[in-house]
Amino acid sequence: AQSVTQLDSHVSVSEGTPVLLRCNYSSSYSPSLFWYVQHPNKGLQLLLKYTSAATLVKGINGFEAEFKKSETSFHLTKPSAHMSDAAEYFCVVSFGGYGGSQGNLIFGKGTKLSVKP
Amino acid sequence: KAGVTQTPRYLIKTRGQQVTLSCSPISGHRSVSWYQQTPGQGLQFLFEYFSETQRNKGNFPGRFSGRQFSNSRSEMNVSTLELGDSALYLCASSLTGTESYEQYFGPGTRLTVT
Repeated sequence: AQSVTQLDSHVSVSEGTPVLLRCNYSSSYSPSLFWYVQHPNKGLQLLLKYTSAATLVKGINGFEAEFKKSETSFHLTKPSAHMSDAAEYFCVVSFGGYGGSQGNLIFGKGTKLSVKP
Repeated sequence: KAGVTQTPRYLIKTRGQQVTLSCSPISGHRSVSWYQQTPGQGLQFLFEYFSETQRNKGNFPGRFSGRQFSNSRSEMNVSTLELGDSALYLCASSLTGTESYEQYFGPGTRLTVT
């Protein structure tokens, strides 16, 4: 069965230090992978996506993620955290659906990122 | 371009009642998906509509249903509400719903069932 696991429910960093949010997936197929961010009382915003092109994916706001097939991981990183990065982050996997649709998006449980001044 | 809009933003209903939520996708987007977000279960896929047809369905009971109109606007309906249906319901639209196209999420409708 396909699944996605975010290894930390909460990560706390100081402003200006690196951010690492970990995500592992389980699949028999080659998935499409996404990271979304959700600020309080807001909808989800796509940070970046991997769809079998380059394994290192750059997203918005300085975030990037590396797809490692051998480790079935797709960790999200940022070199230097900013206060505005405080939010909840979701690793999402799409295994495709009927007729080539995006089908069932499977969300991780989320990682809450806190940024201390 | 206007984003995905959802109405109403907040709703309070009583057990046993039914509710209809509305989603207007970004202009030109033909795929609309619905998700339920709760603290316990996280984000779960409900269903996806494309060109007025349900193309994918998540693992939810038949009390949850939806439809899509010719202008791509979508509604979801929950009948015989239960306390556990209290959640943030998110709608997302994309051009075609295929993996090449990202989904754009609306702000959600927060449903409280008392």
